[in-house]
Parts: sequence; structure tokens; C-alpha cells
Amino acid sequence: NAGVTQTPKFRVLKTGQSMTLLCAQDMNHEYMYWYRQDPGMGLRLIHYSVGEGTTAKGEVPDGYNVSRLKKQNFLLGLESAAPSQTSVYFCASSYSGYPPETQYFGPGTRLLVL
Amino acid sequence: GEDVEQSLFLSVREGDSSVINCTYTDSSSTYLYWYKQEPGAGLQLLTYIFSNMDMKQDQRLTVLLNKKDKHLSLRIADTQTGDSAIYFCAESIGMRNNDMRFGAGTRLTVKP
Repeated sequence: NAGVTQTPKFRVLKTGQSMTLLCAQDMNHEYMYWYRQDPGMGLRLIHYSVGEGTTAKGEVPDGYNVSRLKKQNFLLGLESAAPSQTSVYFCASSYSGYPPETQYFGPGTRLLVL
Repeated sequence: GEDVEQSLFLSVREGDSSVINCTYTDSSSTYLYWYKQEPGAGLQLLTYIFSNMDMKQDQRLTVLLNKKDKHLSLRIADTQTGDSAIYFCAESIGMRNNDMRFGAGTRLTVKP
């Protein structure tokens, strides 16, 4: 049982390049989330999904797209990376989506955009 | 303000108590949480408290909630080097998990 895994762990991009971050969970969770964490700031929700085939915008969705084609995977795409997207990206999942049920977090992807 | 606020750093000696403080934003928040992040790992739920409680104790952890001041604290008794990590305060500001607000995290360093 691996929990929540993220690929890659670290990536350097040039401005304008595109990339996809992959999140996978093996807990059969319905809900999945993408957050970003910037220095001195709390985690901010980018997009989330309440089930396979669904996506919804979070607090800071601009510049990102997501897809949930399979229940266990949640992909975060950057079509044209910008230096402002330099951040640590965390994926999380939960079963019901309602508090106080915890979210299970992946180890993070550190992205540097030059 | 709209930010969950925490001190960024705390350093204690092994065996001492650690107190990590947090000021949250919404007086109607239903649940308040403490997450722990160890190096190279994701956030892991440590404990949570329902908003109608003042205190919750779980082994070495004590959570205190002051709703009037919107203040949450986490006390770790007999702090060990293994407690060194980043501790995040979070609040549920809505009915679902996508309505959570996180603090920036407090880095706790435990010196032997």
C-alpha cells in the first residue's frame, strides 16, 4: 500500500515549457486535490476532483489544468510555465471529502521555473 | 486578515515542552487541525479538534482552542528529536475538504 505518490520529485523548467505532474493513490479514494506551497505561505488549493471524470477549480487555478481520467490518478498540467509557478506541489486524496476526515498527502514535487 | 498565521520557527531542548501557536481566520470554522510534515514526506494528520471543544489530549499532544480569540495551540510534552518537523495549522472553513485553509507551517527543531 503505497498511499499517495507523486512523479517527478523535482523538475527544472524553462519559461514557456510545459509539463505534467502525476499523482497516484491506491486507497480507492474518491476525492483528490492539488495544492501549491510557497515560502512563508500556507498550502493553497489549485484544483480538485470529487470523482473519476470530474474536476473543479480551487483558490489559485490560473495557469494550470487537471484531468482525472482514472480514479487513482490526478494529473496537473502546466501548459506554459512561468517563474511564478516555481513552488512545491502537493497532491492529496481523501475518501469522503468531508471533514474531519483527513486528507492523505504525497511527498511533494519541487518545481523550479527559470 | 485572511491568512492562518503561525510563527515560522521554534527551537526547544529535548525533554522540554513545545508549544506551537496558530491564529486562524474564521470564527465559524468547524474543525481545526494540526498536520506534521517530516523531511521528504507529505503532510500527515496529527490531531484535530471540533470547534465546540476547548481542549483535546492525545498522549503527549494537547490541543487548546480559544474560539473568542481564534487561537489554536499544540503542546508537545517531553519533546523528542523525532518530533523535529514542520507543523501546519489548518481550519475547515466550509462543509467540504476543499474548503480548508492552511498556515505556512512552524519548523520545530529539537536539540539534544
